[in-house]
Amino acid sequence: EAGVAQSPRYKIIEKRQSVAFWCNPISGHATLYWYQQILGQGPKLLIQFQNNGVVDDSQLPKDRFSAERLKGVDSTLKIQPAKLEDSAVYLCASSWELAAQGTQYFGPGTRLLVL
Amino acid sequence: ELKVEQNPLFLSMQEGKNYTIYCNYSTTSDRLYWYRQDPGKSLESLFVLLSNGAVKQEGRLMASLDTKARLSTLHITAAVHDLSATYFCAVGGSTGANSKLTFGKGITLSVRP
Repeated sequence: EAGVAQSPRYKIIEKRQSVAFWCNPISGHATLYWYQQILGQGPKLLIQFQNNGVVDDSQLPKDRFSAERLKGVDSTLKIQPAKLEDSAVYLCASSWELAAQGTQYFGPGTRLLVL
Repeated sequence: ELKVEQNPLFLSMQEGKNYTIYCNYSTTSDRLYWYRQDPGKSLESLFVLLSNGAVKQEGRLMASLDTKARLSTLHITAAVHDLSATYFCAVGGSTGANSKLTFGKGITLSVRP
């Protein structure tokens, strides 16, 4: 079974530029999450989708971050304009809606450096 | 606001010895997860603990959950170098918006000969 795919793996941009990340979850997983992991910290949820609807985006900085999951499968996360403090690893995770244990499976992440 | 605390944040372990690391959380939650992260890598699921008194073991690692104390422990038996990594505990609910995970800061384990 293929895991969660993310691209790009690395991105370097200058502040005020825009950037987009892509995630393809495990096939059949209805729930998709985007987390931000700053160096030395645990991941923090940015947004959660159930199919193509947003379940929780309370911690998403909506003035600069946006995310979509148009067909309930792939998702993109965009930052515009980027700030220095956005330098982090952006992790996508997915889980099966009906799974008793609810384990979230994480992708390899996109490492973003904002200069 | 749910808070998850892990301690210690760094632990230097000697090969062959036993150690225990801890995870405390501030409010009642349905599930507790342990994840492992190697440097530059993503998170790998280790354990899911669903109920009070739950105990799970995989190899040299054993995780347990005490929901009354809001405490999970991860016990390491006879540490080996391969266990060197950062271990995160995370707390989450079972459905909908509650299923999001709140992570601790992680505990970095380093096993020395």
